[in-house]
Amino acid sequence: KAGVTQTPRYLIKTRGQQVTLSCSPISGHRSVSWYQQTPGQGLQFLFEYFSETQRNKGNFPGRFSGRQFSNSRSEMNVSTLELGDSALYLCASSLRAGRVDNEQFFGPGTRLTVL
Amino acid sequence: AQRVTQPEKLLSVFKGAPVELKCNYSYSGSPELFWYVQYSRQRLQLLLRHISRESIKGFTADLNKGETSFHLKKPFAQEEDSAMYYCALVITGGGNKLTFGTGTQLKVEL
Repeated sequence: KAGVTQTPRYLIKTRGQQVTLSCSPISGHRSVSWYQQTPGQGLQFLFEYFSETQRNKGNFPGRFSGRQFSNSRSEMNVSTLELGDSALYLCASSLRAGRVDNEQFFGPGTRLTVL
Repeated sequence: AQRVTQPEKLLSVFKGAPVELKCNYSYSGSPELFWYVQYSRQRLQLLLRHISRESIKGFTADLNKGETSFHLKKPFAQEEDSAMYYCALVITGGGNKLTFGTGTQLKVEL
């Protein structure tokens, strides 16, 4: 079956703009998580959605937001972009939430560059 | 707050040599531990998880609660093992939130 897909794959924006990234999970998966990957901070958790509800949120400012639709697809939005938001944004999906043994399947990422 | 430490950014070994990638964690409870791997130009993927007690591609990892470690080991390195390895944990009640270490780049030389 198809893996996790993320669109767009690459994005260039300027400071102050906003951006929306999209993630389509594996069919049947209802949990979607987002991570930011940078050379300096590594992989950091942004948020997790399950059945259209945010279940977990990482330590990011309110400029970072997300949502999940009834078909489990998820979007994340970053408003008022800053240079430091340049990163690879990874989406991961899993069958369910709340179990520590869940395997998460990662997408290829969206490379965001803020100029 | 929980934390995962991978002390080596780069580990270089010769083919056929043993490999040990170090991972230490700090958390007051009992987390679930994972190793994720990213091969060149591929996605991040699960290699193994403690709860499954499995050996994948010859790799094993033992949880040492006393030392709060979850080192990844393989007796004989292969060229195809060259990749970026991330140790990660999930805490009970933490949903699917993975806390990652900074990763170790393993290079297997011929």
